[in-house]
Amino acid sequence: GQQLNQSPQSMFIQEGEDVSMNCTSSSIFNTWLWYKQDPGEGPVLLIALYKAGELTSNGRLTAQFGITRKDSFLNISASIPSDVGIYFCAGRASGTYKYIFGTGTRLKVLA
Amino acid sequence: KAGVTQTPRYLIKTRGQQVTLSCSPISGHRSVSWYQQTPGQGLQFLFEYFSETQRNKGNFPGRFSGRQFSNSRSEMNVSTLELGDSALYLCASMGTDTQYFGPGTRLTVL
Repeated sequence: GQQLNQSPQSMFIQEGEDVSMNCTSSSIFNTWLWYKQDPGEGPVLLIALYKAGELTSNGRLTAQFGITRKDSFLNISASIPSDVGIYFCAGRASGTYKYIFGTGTRLKVLA
Repeated sequence: KAGVTQTPRYLIKTRGQQVTLSCSPISGHRSVSWYQQTPGQGLQFLFEYFSETQRNKGNFPGRFSGRQFSNSRSEMNVSTLELGDSALYLCASMGTDTQYFGPGTRLTVL
């Protein structure tokens, strides 16, 4: 099935560092969602974006809806060990009801 | 508000058997989507139901089927199980624009 390009695929960082990841699409989307998934659990919604250029924060997390409407970015500031997990982006085009998911970014935080 | 619930959480079956998984969406949500997640293939869309009608379908064989009831609860069925069907099956409930996932059902086929 179709998947979005998400990068990086994985990253090791030191506790306290900032993290950036992004998601790109060949199609224009009108909604972007960012999720975090822990092993064996369902993805948990972190941030939802509905407008091009929108910048939304949730604690130490900040996400942006790219102005081209073909990309989105997630930043995590001052990472902590519990940030470990897989982060997924998901996008939905106007007039559709189906979300397309990114391939995921696996984050590992070194204490 | 209660979240998305899925039952059972874990299931072990043997090849050739069939299985039914259940999902109860967030109260008031009428759309339910199902996904298969495996380490190699990531999140793969199975199908989506809205008001008891299948609105979208992914590229899975006919062994995978689903339905939705008038109370928006949904079930998915996999017949003639194969080893490759071992996966985490996730259900997602959608309100206006935002999709929320359940904890998943881990299916192991032996």
